[in-house]
Amino acid sequence: QVQLQESGPGLVKPSETLSLKCSVSGFSISSGYNGAWIRQPPGKGLEWIGSISHSGATYYSPSLNSRVTISVDTSKNQFSLKLSSVTAADTAVYYCATRKGAWLPADYWGQGTLVTVSS
Amino acid sequence: DVQMTQSPSTLSASVGDRVTITCRASQSISSWLAWYQQTPGKAPKLLIYKASSLESGVPSRFSGSGSGTEFSLSISSLQPEDFATYYCQQYDSYSTFGQGTKVEIK
Repeated sequence: QVQLQESGPGLVKPSETLSLKCSVSGFSISSGYNGAWIRQPPGKGLEWIGSISHSGATYYSPSLNSRVTISVDTSKNQFSLKLSSVTAADTAVYYCATRKGAWLPADYWGQGTLVTVSS
Repeated sequence: DVQMTQSPSTLSASVGDRVTITCRASQSISSWLAWYQQTPGKAPKLLIYKASSLESGVPSRFSGSGSGTEFSLSISSLQPEDFATYYCQQYDSYSTFGQGTKVEIK
């Protein structure tokens, strides 16, 4: 059974770096699963942050490109997200998601984790 | 950037109704469009990919159509569990979501 679980601090201070991990189970990323990060501010719509292939190739949203780093650790079966210089506008539920073979659309999603940016 | 515009923003309907949601892209995205369903507090669920391909396990009352810049999601006979928010997502040029359509009980 495919499962994804996001983890990381629920509170981040302004100007600091948001760091999240996505642990996957039920499959091996190295078998061809690509990852994605999507976020959703409270009460608002979905925003694609970026995607990564199982081999580590990445592409990011142009609006977030300068602040985002997505990585993959196949030995730990994890995807990771780093978002630097955060502001209150980065407060959101952050989802990791995956799909085998294609980059998108994601067909398996984690439950999401709320990250609040506040001092 | 490719902008995605959904309409309507809110749709009021009754159980058994046929409903249609539209999604318009600011430039051609061929058929690289997906539809998701989201209920409160839950992650989105993939319904349709490549504009008209039904994701495995999704009821056949859901269907998608369109190509280029105009797309639609239809639910043939609305069920109680279908009251939710629906999002389109383009994945032709990077990726962008529409703003969402809330389907509420009339």
